[in-house]
Amino acid sequence: NAGVTQTPKFRVLKTGQSMTLLCAQDMNHEYMYWYRQDPGMGLRLIHYSVGEGTTAKGEVPDGYNVSRLKKQNFLLGLESAAPSQTSVYFCASRSGTGGFETEAFFGQGTRLTVV
Amino acid sequence: AQKVTQAQTEISVVEKEDVTLDCVYETRDTTYYLFWYKQPPSGELVFLIRRNSFDEQNEISGRYSWNFQKSTSSFNFTITASQVVDSAVYFCALSVISNFGNEKLTFGTGTRLTIIP
Repeated sequence: NAGVTQTPKFRVLKTGQSMTLLCAQDMNHEYMYWYRQDPGMGLRLIHYSVGEGTTAKGEVPDGYNVSRLKKQNFLLGLESAAPSQTSVYFCASRSGTGGFETEAFFGQGTRLTVV
Repeated sequence: AQKVTQAQTEISVVEKEDVTLDCVYETRDTTYYLFWYKQPPSGELVFLIRRNSFDEQNEISGRYSWNFQKSTSSFNFTITASQVVDSAVYFCALSVISNFGNEKLTFGTGTRLTIIP
């Protein structure tokens, strides 16, 4: 019962470094999302995907890129990390069957600090 | 565009008191779903309830109840006889299909609930 797994759980980056956050789900879900959570701002959508090979911009996409080469994986990339990207990142997935009425399942979060 | 507003940033109540968390949403879509999630201090997000736009019946689950009113675009969450384990951040979320058929799930900023023993 893995559900949604995020890798890594914690990371410290220096300004300008790059990294990739991996999200893997084993529920055969069509939809996947990346959110960032900042104090007082709730969960803000970065990018999302409605199926393998598709991606779309969310509310705060700048400075991030994503890829969905395999249905079960959704990668979030930071090409040149900035201190403003210090946040907790959550990945989520939802079933394609029934679509937008289904609840999202979340990973445990990745705490990223950019110094 | 859709929007979810949780005006209450933080609430503190004494254990066993009732507490209501407010959620107001905005959307032009006639078909949509509303959700509540709980984020305990451990950090994970836990799904609590889903409600579709065509069903305005209130729902009760144990000490939890939800009041959905389309006339005021609100989906409020009440905890009766609160307990310390209810301390968490609670998020309201709205799900619609955008113009291009893509799925969007929009969250409010959350309400931090503290139950004082």
